Amino acid sequence: DTAVSQTPKYLVTQMGNDKSIKCEQNLGHDTMYWYKQDSKKFLKIMFSYNNKELIINETVPNRFSPKSPDKAHLNLHINSLELGDSAVYFCASSQDRVLGSYNEQFFGPGTRLTVL
Amino acid sequence: GDSVTQMEGPVTLSEEAFLTINCTYTATGYPSLFWYVQYPGEGLQLLLKATKADDKGSNKGFEATYRKETTSFHLEKGSVQVSDSAVYFCALRIQRSNFGNEKLTFGTGTRLTIIP
Repeated sequence: DTAVSQTPKYLVTQMGNDKSIKCEQNLGHDTMYWYKQDSKKFLKIMFSYNNKELIINETVPNRFSPKSPDKAHLNLHINSLELGDSAVYFCASSQDRVLGSYNEQFFGPGTRLTVL
Repeated sequence: GDSVTQMEGPVTLSEEAFLTINCTYTATGYPSLFWYVQYPGEGLQLLLKATKADDKGSNKGFEATYRKETTSFHLEKGSVQVSDSAVYFCALRIQRSNFGNEKLTFGTGTRLTIIP
């Protein structure tokens, strides 16, 4: 069973379109994240949610809107797609029950977004 | 702010060679340190971790020691195999006071290729 899954795996679209990427985790974790990996493999946090509440929102254009309908899902909607949005987007989750304890983040396989 | 600096890649080695990938960090507070590995076409997987100074993380023949005095966490392996070919990311995590705020800060990644 896949612990953290993302759909679609590949997404090719035109500039200006609106698209969504879905993420689901079956680990029972409380926190979920979105990371962006650019063409140079640089990986950077975008958002985190804990129990459906937005915690981290890190210098991301407001064209990006995460939505967490429940603890097991964190979807990423992107409006008015631009060429620079082309990247691989990774979802991750962790179990954050005890502050200060080690909470490993488990990553999904990634969604490769190509904007033409 | 917190940051991680990794040696520039790509790194190409022959099978059974000794591997070192350098990683240094800058952080306020006391970070936990990680090495993640990304095999071709896959998401990130945790390779090893160290949560306090002088800890040594190890897994699959890889080792890294948390050196507070040099703010380093270099990855080493005594004899690499072709199957070790991947991108390796050094990362840190700062313990925070609220859930969901423990983002990973990654280095730029080092692509390793092992030739038979």
